[in-house]
Formats: sequence, structure tokens, C-alpha cells
Amino acid sequence: NAGVTQTPKFQVLKTGQSMTLQCAQDMNHEYMSWYRQDPGMGLRLIHYSVGAGITDQGEVPNGYNVSRSTTEDFPLRLLSAAPSQTSVYFCASSYSTNEKLFFGSGTQLSVL
Amino acid sequence: GENVEQHPSTLSVQEGDSAVIKCTYSDSASNYFPWYKQELGKRPQLIIDIRSNVGEKKDQRIAVTLNKTAKHFSLHITETQPEDSAVYFCAADPGKIIFGKGTRLHILP
Repeated sequence: NAGVTQTPKFQVLKTGQSMTLQCAQDMNHEYMSWYRQDPGMGLRLIHYSVGAGITDQGEVPNGYNVSRSTTEDFPLRLLSAAPSQTSVYFCASSYSTNEKLFFGSGTQLSVL
Repeated sequence: GENVEQHPSTLSVQEGDSAVIKCTYSDSASNYFPWYKQELGKRPQLIIDIRSNVGEKKDQRIAVTLNKTAKHFSLHITETQPEDSAVYFCAADPGKIIFGKGTRLHILP
């Protein structure tokens, strides 16, 4: 039981490049979500999903896309990276929105 | 949408004293209020949570209180220890988990 697996751990991009952050969980959780963490800003919700085939926007969705084709996977796509997207990204999952969130180990992303 | 306000942003307490962190929320549909602790360089981890049908919950040195009418909830840590130094986040659940901006707690020797 690996929990929430998030890759890569570190990534450096140039402005305008695209990339996908991977997130997978093996706990059969219905709820999955992506957060970004910036100093003094807490954890801000980017996108979330309450089940396979269902996604919705969070607090800061612009510049990011998600899909949920399976229960296990919830990738986050940066369409055209900007320096403002430099941040630490966390994937998190739970059985439902009113249950304990399990976090991945995070991705440190730098956009130059 | 839901707005979770958290105060203070930084808190320093003497070891052995109590610490209190307060949060307010805006969406009356929220019924679940968790607290997470994040140590430096690590991922957030749940330390305690409370549901709207309960006014107070305690787990050893940690307690949480909820006032649904006033839309505020608080975290209380008693007999603070050095390992309590961390960033603490409150959150609310209006169908998705929304976090406050966090409180950096320093335990002074």
C-alpha cells in the first residue's frame, strides 16, 4: 500500500513549456485534489475530483488542466508554464471530502 | 465560494504554555473542519478534526471547538512541547477542502 504517489519531486521548466505532474493513489479514494503552496498563502486548491470522470475547479484553476479517467490517477497539466507557477504542488486524496486527506510528498516546481 | 480565515499568522509561546489558533469560515454548507500540521519540508498531516454535530473534541493535549452559529472554530494545544513547532492549517469542507493560510507556531525554550 503505497498511499499517494506523486512525481516528479523536482522540476525546472522554461517559460512556455508544458508538463504533467503525476498523482496516483492505491487506496480506492473517490476524492482527489491538487494544491499549490506558496509562502504566506497556505494551501490553495487548484482542481479537484469527486470520482472518475468528474472534475471541478478550485480556487486557482487558471493555467492548469486535469482529467480523471480512472479512480487511481489524477494528473495535473501545466499548459504553458509561467514564472507565477513556481510553487510546491501537493496531490491529496480521501474517501470523501469529509474524511482525512492523504497527501503526496510534493513537487517543487521552478519556472524560469 | 468558501473563505477560510485563520489567525494569527505567527504565534510564539513558551514551552509548557498553551497555544490557541482561530479560524472562521463563510459557507454554512461546511460540516467538516479538520486541522493539519506541517513540519518543515514535509507534507501536511491530519492531527484532529470535528464535525458540525459536535461542539468540542479532545485528543490528549489537542482540542478543537466549533461554534456553527458564529462560523468559527479553534485549535487548542496545552502543555506545548518543542515538537509542536510547525505550521498549522485549518480547513472547511463545502464539498471540497479549503484551507486557511496557516499559523507558524514557535515553541520557545
